[in-house]
Order: sequence, then C-alpha cells, then structure tokens
Amino acid sequence: DADVTQTPRNRITKTGKRIMLECSQTKGHDRMYWYRQDPGLGLRLIYYSFDVKDINKGEISDGYSVSRQAQAKFSLSLESAIPNQTALYFCATSDLTSGGAVETQYFGPGTRLLVL
Amino acid sequence: DQQVKQNSPSLSVQEGRISILNCDYTNSMFDYFLWYKKYPAEGPTFLISISSIKDKNEDGRFTVFLNKSAKHLSLHIVPSQPGDSAVYFCAASESGGSNYKLTFGKGTLLTVNP
Repeated sequence: DADVTQTPRNRITKTGKRIMLECSQTKGHDRMYWYRQDPGLGLRLIYYSFDVKDINKGEISDGYSVSRQAQAKFSLSLESAIPNQTALYFCATSDLTSGGAVETQYFGPGTRLLVL
Repeated sequence: DQQVKQNSPSLSVQEGRISILNCDYTNSMFDYFLWYKKYPAEGPTFLISISSIKDKNEDGRFTVFLNKSAKHLSLHIVPSQPGDSAVYFCAASESGGSNYKLTFGKGTLLTVNP
C-alpha cells in the first residue's frame, strides 16, 4: 500500500466551484505539504503544516486554503476554482530531522485538476 | 526570479551510455541539494542528495557532483537504462531553520533509448 495517497486522482470542475483535494499518509510524519506543478515549471509550494492545527503559507497560497485536522490528513481546498488553477497537485510528507539536516520529502501520486 | 535552473528541458541518450543532467542555482544560501525522479502518473521520488560540505556523492549508478564556486551541480547516470527514462528535478534547500523548504527546478525529461 502507498504511504502517501491522494484523492481524487483526476478531477474536472467548472469555474466558480468549490473543490477539495485530500491527502492521507501512513508514514507517521508530522510535516505535510501541498505543491502544484504546471507544464514546464517545477513544483511550487502552496501550503505546509508542521503539526495538527499548524498552517503556513507557501509561495503561491492565494486562492487556496488547507485544513490539517489529523496528523495523517491534510486537505487542500479551492474555494472558487478558476481556469489558471488547472495543474497537477502533489501532497508530500517529511519528518523532523535533528541537527538541521534537510528533510527528505515523500510525495503522493498527484491529482490532475482541470478547471473549465 | 528562478533560483534553481535546469536549462535542458530534455535529454536523449542510448542505453549503456552516460546521462548527465545539469542544474544551476543562484541563491548562495543553498547548502543542500537533492535530485528527484518522476515517472508519468506518479509523484516525484527521492533519488540522491548532496551537502555543500561534499563535492561528490555516489549511490550505485547515480553520482551527483557539486561545484560550489560555479553554483552548479550535475547528476551522472552510468550506465543508463531504459527504466531511467523519467523527468528529473533538481531541488535545493538551506539546512537549519528552513530545512523543510525545497526550491525546485523545472525538470529535465530523460529518454534512454534501447
């Protein structure tokens, strides 16, 4: 079974609709992230959470919100979807390391979202 | 302003030959670098990393070289195999307080031809 799962894997929605993307992990990690990937671009951080109830904005948080209600679950919402939010969305997890070492992030399989 | 650059969108090599993927960075605060591999319909998976205290890290067929003065790193795959065909992302981070934050390049699509 996958350690990081995302639902749905594909979603088509219309402009103005509210949608939610779900992420679950069984790795027991405290830290979770949401990224988006656009064609020809790298992954860009939307939001991240270091613990339950902890929420932090990433570099492109406008138009998105998140909820971290359990250690294993981190959901991403588009309150009113717009076409330029069409992208591939990835959830990732990592665990706190000691000594300031950079954490390895583990990614889910992605959700392909199309906003018409 | 892109802080991590992968200037080659794609690379094609023959099976058994060496693949060299390049990455440049502009932020001198970056001191830890990672390579991720991504197959279609899957999420990126961690491949190899290197700290700025080293100039080389090797793991099987994969070697990453870091040239700090040039702010350049490269991933060597020897020998290349068809299963290595994927998109490769270079990522950089600062260790310490911001060790969670990865800055990614745009990726390079590697195709290994049989």
